[in-house]
Amino acid sequence: GAGVSQTPSNKVTEKGKYVELRCDPISGHTALYWYRQSLGQGPEFLIYFQGTGAADDSGLPNDRFFAVRPEGSVSTLKIQRTERGDSAVYLCASSPEAGGPLFEQYFGPGTRLTVT
Amino acid sequence: AQSVAQPEDQVNVAEGNPLTVKCTYSVSGNPYLFWYVQYPNRGLQFLLKYITGDNLVKGSYGFEAEFNKSQTSFHLKKPSALVSDSALYFCAVTSPLLLSSFSGGYNKLIFGAGTRLAVHP
Repeated sequence: GAGVSQTPSNKVTEKGKYVELRCDPISGHTALYWYRQSLGQGPEFLIYFQGTGAADDSGLPNDRFFAVRPEGSVSTLKIQRTERGDSAVYLCASSPEAGGPLFEQYFGPGTRLTVT
Repeated sequence: AQSVAQPEDQVNVAEGNPLTVKCTYSVSGNPYLFWYVQYPNRGLQFLLKYITGDNLVKGSYGFEAEFNKSQTSFHLKKPSALVSDSALYFCAVTSPLLLSSFSGGYNKLIFGAGTRLAVHP
């Protein structure tokens, strides 16, 4: 079956611009996560959705970052006034439901964001 | 604070030899531990997890990992390495104290920095 998909695969933008990154989770998965992976580092948690609601957004670095999931499926990560330090690979993951650690997270291929 | 340490940036092993990729963790409460693998230009793929029960966990592609509570470790192992095992490996942890009160489901994985495994023919 189809896995988690993310678009675009690569995004180059100028400093100060606004960007949107899209995630399509596996069909039927209610839990959705965003992570950020900087070069040479492991993924860092950004935000977690259970259904349409953001259950935990404690990982968002500042108020330039915002994410939505209006219908409980597709999610969009939005970054305003991009800075060069925002350059990273943004990963999306989904899992079947809120069932505790029994359900592993399935990751998408990521969007590589480069801010020039 | 919750954290994961992968002390080796790179592990080199000859094909056919056993391999070990090390991971230690620090977490409040009981740990739930995971290993993921990342191939170039592909997403993280789940290998195995420890939740409770038997300390030796078997996963995909012949990998296994041993949970050692006293040493707070969860090392990844394989008896006989393949060239195709060459990739970036990440250890991750979460715990009941990181669960969201909103949903009751775990939500926040804490990852190590990764270890690059190079298997030579």
